[in-house]
Amino acid sequence: EVELLESGGGLVQPGGSLRLSCAASGFIFTNYAMSWVRQAPGKGLEWVSGVSGSGGNTYYAGSVKGRFTISRDNAKKTLHLQMNSLRAEDTAVYYCAKSVTPDWRHDYWGQGTLITVSA
Amino acid sequence: SYELTQPPSVSVSPGQTASFTCSGDKLGDKYVSWYQQKPGQSPVLAIYQDTKRPSGIPERFSGSNSGNTATLTISGTQAMDEADYYCQAWDSSTVVFGGGTKLTVL
Repeated sequence: EVELLESGGGLVQPGGSLRLSCAASGFIFTNYAMSWVRQAPGKGLEWVSGVSGSGGNTYYAGSVKGRFTISRDNAKKTLHLQMNSLRAEDTAVYYCAKSVTPDWRHDYWGQGTLITVSA
Repeated sequence: SYELTQPPSVSVSPGQTASFTCSGDKLGDKYVSWYQQKPGQSPVLAIYQDTKRPSGIPERFSGSNSGNTATLTISGTQAMDEADYYCQAWDSSTVVFGGGTKLTVL
């Protein structure tokens, strides 16, 4: 059974940093791309970033490019999102998702972790 | 940047057919996925590669994609189908989601 478990959420001040992690199990981690998708309170889904199975290719939404860094540790089956220069508009539930290329569909999602950026 | 447009809401009576549209430039040239999200829950993949259903998704869910519009159809809509529905595509090395459509089953 595929499981994705996010951690690292919480309250952070504007301009601060936070690192999210997603522990994966139940599938061959290196065979699949992974993504982070967020959802602001009461709003729709917004893709944040994706990484190829090898970790060699990374992709970012324009809204986070230069501030967020996605990475993966295939030995530990863990996905990370380093978030710097956080803004109030980054406040959202962040989901980790297993992604299938080439269409980048997200066939499994974690339960999400809430990030609140506020003074 | 690429945009996908969805109507904000759809309402149907139980047993009727619910249709959700997703519009984008030359969308028919791309693969479209659809997700269902119920309140307080994570999204669930409902349709992928325009027409395919993952295991566990009822047969009443179907999809199509042609020209500039992709469509998700729920035949014989049930109360349990009440949720938000999002379309998604891949364009220029980014994932794009539509704004979502809220389904109300009256």
